[in-house]
Amino acid sequence: GAGVSQSPSNKVTEKGKDVELRCDPISGHTALYWYRQSLGQGLEFLIYFQGNSAPDKSGLPSDRFSAERTGGSVSTLTIQRTQQEDSAVYLCASSWGLAYNEQFFGPGTRLTVL
Amino acid sequence: AQSVTQLGSHVSVSEGALVLLRCNYSSSVPPYLFWYVQYPNQGLQLLLKYTSAATLVKGINGFEAEFKKSETSFHLTKPSAHMSDAAEYFCAVSGKNNDMRFGAGTRLTVKP
Repeated sequence: GAGVSQSPSNKVTEKGKDVELRCDPISGHTALYWYRQSLGQGLEFLIYFQGNSAPDKSGLPSDRFSAERTGGSVSTLTIQRTQQEDSAVYLCASSWGLAYNEQFFGPGTRLTVL
Repeated sequence: AQSVTQLGSHVSVSEGALVLLRCNYSSSVPPYLFWYVQYPNQGLQLLLKYTSAATLVKGINGFEAEFKKSETSFHLTKPSAHMSDAAEYFCAVSGKNNDMRFGAGTRLTVKP
């Protein structure tokens, strides 16, 4: 496809379960970002991948959160032992990888933890 | 690390009035600055960006922003608000490591 895609679009889970969120960036984009957008909050940076470099994990809120990017393309964000405060929209973005390049955002995954 | 502060989580203007959304940045290196917009039930899209070529940057839908180094500001303006401008606006800064950081956002309401 032409844009960033994310799946699932909606995910409802029970507290304590693990979830996996997927992001498929624009082909050729070397940089990939994950953000969290909670109700009434801004965009909270989670993690950033740039090419084959070690990811910038400085935004991950706890060790229950992890992400990987396989083959420099698709990325998966995993949340273990979900908590109600994890409920939010999780956004993925990709770019060409230079600081002045704009990021292209996916539609997001709305996660609800019951 | 760089950061941005958006003054005012909510701004309300009348249709036809000036729109001014404030953004101040903090960066130890010359920054790249961006404004993104999120319309209701839509994804984020780029409005405009500053990359040091010109201090006054024009974007889509009649918006523009001026980079003022002395004030560390990058405020977004539009001379005349339209109902369709109602949205959430995010300011963002990117440093040399391409680690973009977003502000908390400003929700713009346009009254008829």
